[in-house]
Amino acid sequence: EIVLTQSPDFQSVTPKEKVTITCRASQSIGSSLHWYQQKPDQSPKLLIKYASQSFSGVPSRFSGSGSGTDFTLTINSLEAEDAATYYCHQSSSLPQTFGQGTKVEIK
Amino acid sequence: EVQLLESGGGLVQPGGSLRLSCAASGFTFSSYAMNWVRQAPGKGLEWVSTIGGLGGSIYYADSVKGRFTISRDNPKNTLYLQMNSLRAEDTAVYYCAKLGGDLLTLADYWGQGTPVTVSS
Repeated sequence: EIVLTQSPDFQSVTPKEKVTITCRASQSIGSSLHWYQQKPDQSPKLLIKYASQSFSGVPSRFSGSGSGTDFTLTINSLEAEDAATYYCHQSSSLPQTFGQGTKVEIK
Repeated sequence: EVQLLESGGGLVQPGGSLRLSCAASGFTFSSYAMNWVRQAPGKGLEWVSTIGGLGGSIYYADSVKGRFTISRDNPKNTLYLQMNSLRAEDTAVYYCAKLGGDLLTLADYWGQGTPVTVSS
């Protein structure tokens, strides 16, 4: 099973700051890494697919990078509505796995 | 507009059974694989099962293998999860999710979830 480890687990950030969340895979997964946003009491929403491709309708302040084992989700100029938990997800091999999540709080 | 609407969750005793449904609309249902993903209270996301568009390919997490059965009725645009021999650790919100294409890929749309509580 491929283990995804996100860091940090929690981040408290001021609006307009830049947020960087990392996801490290226990073995190489190419670019089969996706990012989701989950706001409280809502279902997850796809932000970034295949490491760096933005999903339709996602604001341009969200971007992704990386390949192999190390990946990054960046939120440029954080907005209040971005308060959420962010998850990475690998679809390289079964079982599909998710990172433990990174909670982003707005100061 | 893609819509996924889960139903069938509820309170069940340990050892009991539930059948979850997910009604899909806004896309050609039979053309896409589907996932069930669950989230225990206060915890992260856990993949449960995947079924191919035509139902011929099916995969399960080890934690549910032999107890849960995924299926689909393409003419009815509905996905199912039959859950038997339920345990306390199966307590979670269960989400259905449309995959972006093949069996191993991203989940581009998710339902709102249906809660399952296993308790005596």
